[in-house]
Amino acid sequence: DVKVTQSSRYLVKRTGEKVFLECVQDMDHENMFWYRQDPGLGLRLIYFSYDVKMKEKGDIPEGYSVSREKKERFSLILESASTNQTSMYLCASRQTGGGETQYFGPGTRLLVL
Amino acid sequence: KQEVTQIPAALSVPEGENLVLNCSFTDSAIYNLQWFRQDPGKGLTSLLLIQSSQREQTSGRLNASLDKSSGRSTLYIAASQPGDSATYLCAASGNSKTSYDKVIFGPGTSLSVIP
Repeated sequence: DVKVTQSSRYLVKRTGEKVFLECVQDMDHENMFWYRQDPGLGLRLIYFSYDVKMKEKGDIPEGYSVSREKKERFSLILESASTNQTSMYLCASRQTGGGETQYFGPGTRLLVL
Repeated sequence: KQEVTQIPAALSVPEGENLVLNCSFTDSAIYNLQWFRQDPGKGLTSLLLIQSSQREQTSGRLNASLDKSSGRSTLYIAASQPGDSATYLCAASGNSKTSYDKVIFGPGTSLSVIP
């Protein structure tokens, strides 16, 4: 079974802090994704990585950056956390190719005070 | 631009009923259509994936159909159980020759099965 893990289930940070969210997958997938999920707005793609050190911006990349130094690990960085970044963050991975399913991690609920 | 909608937004049914969840998408040039389940505060679990060349997929009590020409997919749940209570999301993948085909999620249908 594919396993996608995220470093924290719940996180509380202060405005202005630098925040790191980590995602690890164990199935050697090339593609990894970071989404945020908000009530009424659904899932929105923040960043996508299709290989090590490769990334593409999603729909809402502002205020975020990512790092993919190893194939199994994809990190989301909030350079200076703001209250409007309070959200549920979901990581996913997938084998290359449109026919493959995405596998999601359990999510990190981030609260920025 | 692809848009995905789901009707109804919420549904409450008594245990044992058969039910249908609906998903609509505006751009029929999709690569595949997926249905996911999300329990409260959790990540998404893939239920069924239908390739654009397929008409339906089945897994246990779940059956998903795809009609690209009308831009619709349905998820049929037979003999519903309280454990089916969750939010169900559909997601359409765009058709792309590049390494990334964009996945657009619907807002979800919140299902509650009453014992």
